[in-house]
Amino acid sequence: AQTVTQSQPEMSVQEAETVTLSCTYDTSESDYYLFWYKQPPSRQMILVIRQEAYKQQNATENRFSVNFQKAAKSFSLKISDSQLGDAAMYFCSNFGNEKLTFGTGTRLTIIP
Amino acid sequence: GAGVSQSPSNKVTEKGKDVELRCDPISGHTALYWYRQSLGQGLEFLIYFQGNSAPDKSGLPSDRFSAERTGGSVSTLTIQRTQQEDSAVYLCASSLSFGNTIYFGEGSWLTVV
Repeated sequence: AQTVTQSQPEMSVQEAETVTLSCTYDTSESDYYLFWYKQPPSRQMILVIRQEAYKQQNATENRFSVNFQKAAKSFSLKISDSQLGDAAMYFCSNFGNEKLTFGTGTRLTIIP
Repeated sequence: GAGVSQSPSNKVTEKGKDVELRCDPISGHTALYWYRQSLGQGLEFLIYFQGNSAPDKSGLPSDRFSAERTGGSVSTLTIQRTQQEDSAVYLCASSLSFGNTIYFGEGSWLTVV
């Protein structure tokens, strides 16, 4: 079975500062993928970043980057130069065995 | 279409009525997923389609829930004899194939009164 744990229900960060959202997961699959999704109040789930488990290099997308520690089964998201538009629920997810499993989410607030 | 399309976007129904929720995936996407998100909660997996077949129905909460997909495209999630605990946002997603990025629709907000 796959599990995804996000231990931070809420986080806040000052605009232009950096914030890191934590995520740990458990899976018995050898071939899997990890994602961070963002869900603003509009409730549309938007892909933020994707990491293939077989790749050692951490994925980056502009201001978003991950710290993927495969042995520790940790997949944290770093948001640099936080902007007001980054305010949303962030979900960590693990895709393996044809199923996408989500964590319970972290609500990120940006302080102007 | 350009993205995953879901209808209706909002539905209010009386307890005991049946509802149908529709999902039109991105053209060419073979994999289609249904999730349920209750207010302030995470996403609960319901069912997954590969083509027209559903290898994993383990997430369906009860036998009141069913889903089908025809022509490898549009999918319908049906909830019979709705209950108040069925109130949630029902999210549909699709991907090109296993391991590819999964794209979500905007969801169907179901309220059972």
